[in-house]
Amino acid sequence: ETGVTQSPTHLIKTRGQQVTLRCSSQSGHNTVSWYQQALGQGPQFIFQYYREEENGRGNFPPRFSGLQFPNYSSELNVNALELDDSALYLCASSLYVTSAPGGYEQYFGPGTRLTVT
Amino acid sequence: GNSVTQMEGPVTLSEEAFLTINCTYTATGYPSLFWYVQYPGEGLQLLLKATKADDKGSNKGFEATYRKETTSFHLEKGSVQVSDSAVYFCALSDLDQAGTALIFGKGTTLSVSS
Repeated sequence: ETGVTQSPTHLIKTRGQQVTLRCSSQSGHNTVSWYQQALGQGPQFIFQYYREEENGRGNFPPRFSGLQFPNYSSELNVNALELDDSALYLCASSLYVTSAPGGYEQYFGPGTRLTVT
Repeated sequence: GNSVTQMEGPVTLSEEAFLTINCTYTATGYPSLFWYVQYPGEGLQLLLKATKADDKGSNKGFEATYRKETTSFHLEKGSVQVSDSAVYFCALSDLDQAGTALIFGKGTTLSVSS
């Protein structure tokens, strides 16, 4: 069983630029979520994809967008970068069953550290 | 809205001391509750979970009980080790979202010395 992987590990961008972060979900999982973790804070939910469609979104502006591919890999795109976008971006995958109640364990990747200057 | 409040850190203990990290929550409905741990330079790992009131989650000597009447899910361990040094996050499933979204607390840093 392979774990969740993310690339790149670190990234430095300039304000106003665009960035794409990548995630490879754990084998067999059908859902991927993205979280933003600012320094010294807990992760904040950005959005989630289930079967290639967005099915949940946190309080983040539209310049944060994503994709999920048929092989359950995923991308997070951020346009018009701002200094406050500097954070650790975490990807998490899980196996979601719409008819089953909550309690889903999410498997997190190691994250991508984004620095915006 | 839904939220999680954790005790402020850092928590500094000697090896073999008793650990309690307090966590309380605000939520509509009956969310599942989780504790995640983050070691330096790594992503989050699930430590334990509870899906309904009075459930006790346990793993690696850590325990937490889902207390609906006090809306709490405090993390405890009877004897901590240096290897337990990490950041601990309490989280709940966000029932206002479809799927598996989680709401996290701010985290509590635990430092254990020998």
